[in-house]
Amino acid sequence: DIQMTQSPSSLSASVGDRVTITCQASQDISNYLNWYQQKPGKAPNLLIYDASNLETGVPSRFSGSGSGTDFTFTISSLQPEDIATYYCQQYNNLPLTFGGGTKVEIE
Amino acid sequence: QVQLQESGPGLVKPSGTLSLTCAVSGGSISSSYWWSWVRQPPGKGLEWIGEIYHSGSTNYNPSLKSRVTISVDKSKNQFSLKLSSVTAADTAVYYCARKRTTYNTFDIWGQGTMVTVSS
Repeated sequence: DIQMTQSPSSLSASVGDRVTITCQASQDISNYLNWYQQKPGKAPNLLIYDASNLETGVPSRFSGSGSGTDFTFTISSLQPEDIATYYCQQYNNLPLTFGGGTKVEIE
Repeated sequence: QVQLQESGPGLVKPSGTLSLTCAVSGGSISSSYWWSWVRQPPGKGLEWIGEIYHSGSTNYNPSLKSRVTISVDKSKNQFSLKLSSVTAADTAVYYCARKRTTYNTFDIWGQGTMVTVSS
């Protein structure tokens, strides 16, 4: 299985801050990576697909980049409604696997 | 728009079989998507369980493959999950989700259903 390692596991930032989350794959996955947002008590919601493509309807302050084994997810200006846990997911190989998640909180 | 709704018992006894159904509304289960199950133990991350195509083709997570069966009922526009020989480690919120064939993205999710394994 491909292991996905996210860091940090949690972070606290102020409204308006730039927030960056990294996701590292245990092997080369090209750009076969998606990002999801999960708010407490809710199902995950797709934000970014294919490493850098913004899903329709998702605010442009969210972005993704990277390829190979190293990926980055960025919120350019943190908003109160962005409080959530963020997950990366690889689809280079089955089984599909997720990172451990990054919990984002407001300072 | 397409919506997914999980249903099934919230409590299953150890060594028993967990059975859940996901009803698809607003669209056809015979459309070009894979229909998946993903679970999340309390306070933990997401684990892909497996998926099915309307043709009946399935893919399972090897870690669960010996205990999992996913089936589809096109007449009822729904798909189902059976997980046998459950233990407390199978306690989780179980989500059904639609997965696109391009980019393998889970683009629509059910609300999730909590299943507790306990005697």
